[in-house]
Amino acid sequence: DAKTTQPNSMESNEEEPVHLPCNHSTISGTDYIHWYRQLPSQGPEYVIHGLTSNVNNRMASLAIAEDRKSSTLILHRATLRDAAVYYCILRVTSGTYKYIFGTGTRLKVLA
Amino acid sequence: DTGVSQDPRHKITKRGQNVTFRCDPISEHNRLYWYRQTLGQGPEFLTYFQNEAQLEKSRLLSDRFSAERPKGSFSTLEIQRTEQGDSAMYLCASSSRLEALETQYFGPGTRLLVL
Repeated sequence: DAKTTQPNSMESNEEEPVHLPCNHSTISGTDYIHWYRQLPSQGPEYVIHGLTSNVNNRMASLAIAEDRKSSTLILHRATLRDAAVYYCILRVTSGTYKYIFGTGTRLKVLA
Repeated sequence: DTGVSQDPRHKITKRGQNVTFRCDPISEHNRLYWYRQTLGQGPEFLTYFQNEAQLEKSRLLSDRFSAERPKGSFSTLEIQRTEQGDSAMYLCASSSRLEALETQYFGPGTRLLVL
């Protein structure tokens, strides 16, 4: 199964940018990179996804390395409401529809 | 669109009892997924349905677990003869084949505690 590696925890000051890294050295050519976040006592929430090019949406930006073996989720201005566990997932596009979650990165935002 | 809903949100039961959870997916989503999440871990896949057909099951889904989606709408997950190791958050998600990459949308989960 495709695997991702993330730091267990990170801290950021409020209003500052946050860069959350993810390594996925076993990624195959058709795997998409998805990011979800999970707030306390809630289910995971979709954040962003990409294949090869960098992506932006209203929540975040996703920067994907040229060799696709790593990616970085960028929160441009962290707020206290961004404190959550962030999961990087490789979305396999054939044979299965399941997500394989790692242990994620717990982001703490300091006021 | 009211999102994925799950019922109950919390369940406390005694070891050996049976429990059943319900998931209502987003309307017209044809795929429905069940995951289990223990403390400090990411969600683990259990099973998924395409309409009423159960197409994939994890080996985590022991014979005490059964899931159904009888009419291709809501789904139930039953655990028979519960054990303390079944204590976890049970998450349901749904997706639509009409949406690019079939992004999964998760419900709030049912937290199970087995005493």
